[in-house]
Amino acid sequence: DVKVTQSSRYLVKRTGEKVFLECVQDMDHENMFWYRQDPGLGLRLIYFSYDVKMKEKGDIPEGYSVSREKKERFSLILESASTNQTSMYLCASAPTGLDTEAFFGQGTRLTVV
Amino acid sequence: GQSLEQPSEVTAVEGAIVQINCTYQTSGFYGLSWYQQHDGGAPTFLSYNALDGLEETGRFSSFLSRSDSYGYLLLQELQMKDSASYFCAVGRGSTLGRLYFGRGTQLTVWP
Repeated sequence: DVKVTQSSRYLVKRTGEKVFLECVQDMDHENMFWYRQDPGLGLRLIYFSYDVKMKEKGDIPEGYSVSREKKERFSLILESASTNQTSMYLCASAPTGLDTEAFFGQGTRLTVV
Repeated sequence: GQSLEQPSEVTAVEGAIVQINCTYQTSGFYGLSWYQQHDGGAPTFLSYNALDGLEETGRFSSFLSRSDSYGYLLLQELQMKDSASYFCAVGRGSTLGRLYFGRGTQLTVWP
C-alpha cells in the first residue's frame, strides 16, 4: 500500500515562528502536493512539485515556501507563521501519468496562536 | 484559472440514490476525478473520467460530458458509511498537471 506520512498530526505554534511541515512518501512518486483545507473552501493548492528541486506555485503560495531535496520528501515552510495560517494541511503524492490517482497523508492540524 | 462548482450539501436516506453534480471551468483539462473524505480522515480516490461517458465501480458511478464541462458522481444503495464529503477535482497527479479541487459536497445519509 502507498503510504504518505506527515510528521505531525497536531501542531501549535506562536505567531512569527518558522514552521516546518514534513511529508514523506514511500512509493517513488514523482509528484507531490501541499494543500490547505478550510471549512467551506475545500482543498486549495499551495505548492506542487513534479521532481526533485522542482516546484510550482499553486493558488495560495503567499507566506509559504517548499523544499524537495529528495524524491520522497516534500517540506512546507511557513517563514513567519500568522494566525490566518491556522488550518488543516494535507500532503499528497502521485505518480506520473494521466491515469493516476493522488494519495493523501492524514493531515496536520496547525494552530497559530 | 480553474473553477469547480458543486453543491455544498446533499441529504438522502439509506437505500436511496443520490447524484452530486460538478461543473468546471479550466484550462488544460486532463480529466475529472472524485474523492471521498470522512470526518477527520484523508481524502481517498473514488473514480476518474478522462473521456465522455459513465464509469461504474460497484455502487458508485461517475459521468463526464466534456462539451458541457460537467460531471457527476452517482451513489446507489446508499449506506450510513457513505456519509462523508465528496470532492470533484480537475486534472490528475501527472508531471504536466496539477490537481484542483472543488469546495466539496457534504453528504448526510439518514437511516
